[in-house]
Amino acid sequence: KQEVTQIPAALSVPEGENLVLNCSFTDSAIYNLQWFRQDPGKGLTSLLLIQSSQREQTSGRLNASLDKSSGRSTLYIAASQPGDSATYLCAVMDTGRRALTFGSGTRLQVQP
Amino acid sequence: GAGVSQSPSNKVTEKGKDVELRCDPISGHTALYWYRQSLGQGLEFLIYFQGNSAPDKSGLPSDRFSAERTGGSVSTLTIQRTQQEDSAVYLCASSLKSTGELFFGEGSRLTVL
Repeated sequence: KQEVTQIPAALSVPEGENLVLNCSFTDSAIYNLQWFRQDPGKGLTSLLLIQSSQREQTSGRLNASLDKSSGRSTLYIAASQPGDSATYLCAVMDTGRRALTFGSGTRLQVQP
Repeated sequence: GAGVSQSPSNKVTEKGKDVELRCDPISGHTALYWYRQSLGQGLEFLIYFQGNSAPDKSGLPSDRFSAERTGGSVSTLTIQRTQQEDSAVYLCASSLKSTGELFFGEGSRLTVL
């Protein structure tokens, strides 16, 4: 059974810092990995999707990497802003099952 | 274009009542998912529909839970004889294909008194 772990559970940084969120998964047989953000009381917003054949994806100040063999992904946020404050969720889709398995998330607070 | 739409956004019900939650996916998306997010818990997979294939119901927690998808579009999640532990946010997502990017709705917050 796939298990997804996110570290740290919470993170507080001053505005302008670059930061890295970590995600690990136990079964490397995946189709893809997706990063989301969730604001309080809201649904999930898709940030980046990395297919299993890809090593990284970039969108604006966000860069996500995938090392499938070691079961790891990182989300890099450059020049953080207070508007980046949210919970960031990592999820993987296994090859055997068309449903995402989610981590517990990293709650990010960017201080102005 | 419109995103995934869910209704109601909030539902308060009494223990033992039945509830129906509705999801309207993005037009043209063949895959539709239901997840549950309880306070302090992660996102829990409930059920998955892909086109005309039989749904993957492996995540439904009990036989009080059921879902259908009519005409390959709108889906309804039904919870019978609700219990307090059913209180959660129920999230729906859709995807263009079974291995594609998922897009979530804002969720339906269910409170069972």
